[in-house]
Amino acid sequence: DAGVTQSPTHLIKTRGQQVTLRCSPKSGHDTVSWYQQALGQGPQFIFQYYEEEERQRGNFPDRFSGHQFPNYSSELNVNALWLGDSALYLCASSTPGTSEYNEQFFGPGTRLTVL
Amino acid sequence: GDSVTQMEGPVTLSEEAFLTINCTYTATGYPSLFWYVQYPGEGLQLLLKATKADDKGSNKGFEATYRKETTSFHLEKGSVQVSDSAVYFCALSRNSASKIIFGSGTRLSIRP
Repeated sequence: DAGVTQSPTHLIKTRGQQVTLRCSPKSGHDTVSWYQQALGQGPQFIFQYYEEEERQRGNFPDRFSGHQFPNYSSELNVNALWLGDSALYLCASSTPGTSEYNEQFFGPGTRLTVL
Repeated sequence: GDSVTQMEGPVTLSEEAFLTINCTYTATGYPSLFWYVQYPGEGLQLLLKATKADDKGSNKGFEATYRKETTSFHLEKGSVQVSDSAVYFCALSRNSASKIIFGSGTRLSIRP
């Protein structure tokens, strides 16, 4: 059973460009969350998608947008890149279910460098 | 808002030493509490969790107890190994559909 997969592994962009990152959730999971992890920091929540809708959003500007497809995979788009967007972008999948807590499984991340 | 504060690193110990990494949280009610681990070049992995007060989470020799009275969730291990070298994150979440709030991480290095 494949876990959460993300592509690409690494990406280099220049300021002002746009980028799209991709995530495939773990089999059986229907909820995808995105996190930004700056160097030496903990991950910060960007947003969460469920049933192709953005369900929650963290404190990130509108330059950060996303999408979820009918097969539950997801994309994170960032427009007008600036140096501060350089980070490891993590995708996590889960399923709401009915139990007390359902673990979010994290992918290996996409390392984005903005020059 | 909710937040997590954890011990700053790096922490360097010798093999077989006792480990404690302190973590405190700020939140109303009873969030679920977690420790995640990030090994070099790998993604985050859930190490252990506790979902209500006085619960003890444990895994791979690591333990942490949910202390509501002190709003703490300190990570402990009796005898660390070189393979435990990683970055450890304390975190909380309101429920299974909610975002996870992470601390800033503590880098642990174990000397042979």
